[in-house]
Amino acid sequence: SYELTQPPSVSVSPGQTARITCSGDALPKQYAYWYQQKPGQAPVLVIYKDSERPSGIPERFSGSSSGTTVTLTISGVQAEDEADYYCQSADSSGTYPWVFGGGTKLTVL
Amino acid sequence: EVQLVQSGAEVKKPGESLKISCKGSGYSFTSYWIGWVRQMPGKGLEWMGIIYPGDSDTRYSPSFQGQVTISADKSISTAYLQWSSLKASDTAMYYCVRKNGDYGAFDIWGQGTMVTVSS
Repeated sequence: SYELTQPPSVSVSPGQTARITCSGDALPKQYAYWYQQKPGQAPVLVIYKDSERPSGIPERFSGSSSGTTVTLTISGVQAEDEADYYCQSADSSGTYPWVFGGGTKLTVL
Repeated sequence: EVQLVQSGAEVKKPGESLKISCKGSGYSFTSYWIGWVRQMPGKGLEWMGIIYPGDSDTRYSPSFQGQVTISADKSISTAYLQWSSLKASDTAMYYCVRKNGDYGAFDIWGQGTMVTVSS
């Protein structure tokens, strides 16, 4: 199977910048997507196609890609950003077209 | 408003069958893929499979192939996820999702259906 690797947790103080990484062998060839999930809620799409932001998502959320790693950056973190974040992508063969990373818990100190 | 509304929580015994539903509204149901995502208690997201209601083309994750069946009734804009024989390990929250063709991502999520399997 294909795996996407995320750090289990990231902690930042309010107003600082949080960076959450996601690594996978096929990321140079496949787009990545990011979802935010707050406790007791369904996930919400925050970044698509590596760096595009859906309407309604604050500008402080951005995405980037470099080689086998993609990064979700949250600038000027707010308390409301505390959540689990999941990356999603596909393997290069198409066998696993939608794979999620293990998730990263963002804690706002 | 574009939304997916799922059926309510279920409590079942091992070996029982189950079919949960996901009704789409506010958009052309037959023009978007609908997928299912599992989240076991305290765990991450897992893609299970996806269906195109327009022609019922269905794809399964290798991890779930043969374990569940995905179907859709386009006349009532509803997708389904079903089990023929539940196991305790099927206890999880199940989300239906809409795949946005332009985004390539799951842009709309249902509220989730909690399935508990316990003797």
